[in-house]
Amino acid sequence: QQQVKQSPQSLIVQKGGISIINCAYENTAFDYFPWYQQFPGKGPALLIAIRPDVSEKKEGRFTISFNKSAKQFSLHIMDSQPGDSATYFCAASMTGYALNFGKGTSLLVTP
Amino acid sequence: NAGVTQTPKFQVLKTGQSMTLQCAQDMNHNSMYWYRQDPGMGLRLIYYSASEGTTDKGEVPNGYNVSRLNKREFSLRLESAAPSQTSVYFCASSKLAGGRNEQFFGPGTRLTVL
Repeated sequence: QQQVKQSPQSLIVQKGGISIINCAYENTAFDYFPWYQQFPGKGPALLIAIRPDVSEKKEGRFTISFNKSAKQFSLHIMDSQPGDSATYFCAASMTGYALNFGKGTSLLVTP
Repeated sequence: NAGVTQTPKFQVLKTGQSMTLQCAQDMNHNSMYWYRQDPGMGLRLIYYSASEGTTDKGEVPNGYNVSRLNKREFSLRLESAAPSQTSVYFCASSKLAGGRNEQFFGPGTRLTVL
């Protein structure tokens, strides 16, 4: 049973546009929600993370929005650039347990 | 600091052969993980070790064994490789297991089983 569901599977955005990736989870005990970015041939790397006691976290052009009641969180990439083209994974976990990853979103930002 | 290192980078096996994937971290992390990544399936946890001396099964443990050799090293063994184990394998580590602890990933091992 997949604990974190991610959509869309792929996304094409024009340079300067907003990229939005959504995730939903079932386990209300999850207390950590990170997003990872992966470039081809590389391992994933942490991009940004949020805890359930805040509704939004912003780091540069990247923002996580968190809706605890709906059990959903999303990644917004403002002013998307070709260098943002990568695969993005959302994840969730409880303290003391391993991360549960979504299936990933392949983002292509066109010039 | 090298971070998380994995060997080998690439490997081709024949069905039934065995091999061990090696992973080491130099960040003094307590927890280590093995994932496999397949197209459209995301990252699936095979095994993890929350601390030295402990290991636990993840989502897809069948066909694999692990050894937490010491705090730095966590190996993954395929006793009798099958074509279904063709994948990219990532090792990761974190200071503590889960909740609010960044996982650092290695560069991956690309395994093909013929």
